[in-house]
Amino acid sequence: DAGVIQSPRHEVTEMGQEVTLRCKPISGHDYLFWYRQTMMRGLELLIYFNNNVPIDDSGMPEDRFSAKMPNASFSTLKIQPSEPRDSAVYFCASSSDPLGYTFGSGTRLTVV
Amino acid sequence: ELKVEQNPLFLSMQEGKNYTIYCNYSTTSDRLYWYRQDPGKSLESLFVLLSNGAVKQEGRLMASLDTKARLSTLHITAAVHDLSATYFCAVDNQAGTALIFGKGTTLSVSS
Repeated sequence: DAGVIQSPRHEVTEMGQEVTLRCKPISGHDYLFWYRQTMMRGLELLIYFNNNVPIDDSGMPEDRFSAKMPNASFSTLKIQPSEPRDSAVYFCASSSDPLGYTFGSGTRLTVV
Repeated sequence: ELKVEQNPLFLSMQEGKNYTIYCNYSTTSDRLYWYRQDPGKSLESLFVLLSNGAVKQEGRLMASLDTKARLSTLHITAAVHDLSATYFCAVDNQAGTALIFGKGTTLSVSS
């Protein structure tokens, strides 16, 4: 198994542009999580899905952020419009139980 | 609001010394997790502690859990440079379906 696959690994964009981050979870995992990591706030849970259905999006910082999971093998996190304060590393993780969390390699987003 | 607090946040250690990282949390969760993150890398699971009094050890790292005190410790014995990384503790959210992380402890081991 290739693990949790995130793309792109690095993204540099200008303020105001739309950014889409992608994640392919491990096959058979029914939970998918999006986290954001910054120096100031650490690892924050943004949203998670169970069987493709969003369960808790209370961590999504603003309406500019949205996430979808159209099928069991793909999820996106979109920021529109992006702002410099959105610069962070965004991690996707999947599991069939919190005991079995597997993280992707992350996407480092820089908004200039 | 669920809180997970680690201390210290930064730790500079000499090789061969012992030290302990503390993780306090505010839930009644019986499960606690420790992860390691190397610079620029993803998070790797180290330990899963499933009940009060649980102790797990691997190499120079030993983790323990006291659910009554809502405290977990990660003890480092005779530190070596390879242990330099950021260590996170995490607990289940109230629904038991997602992990809430502490801010991490960045450990730097020097000779």
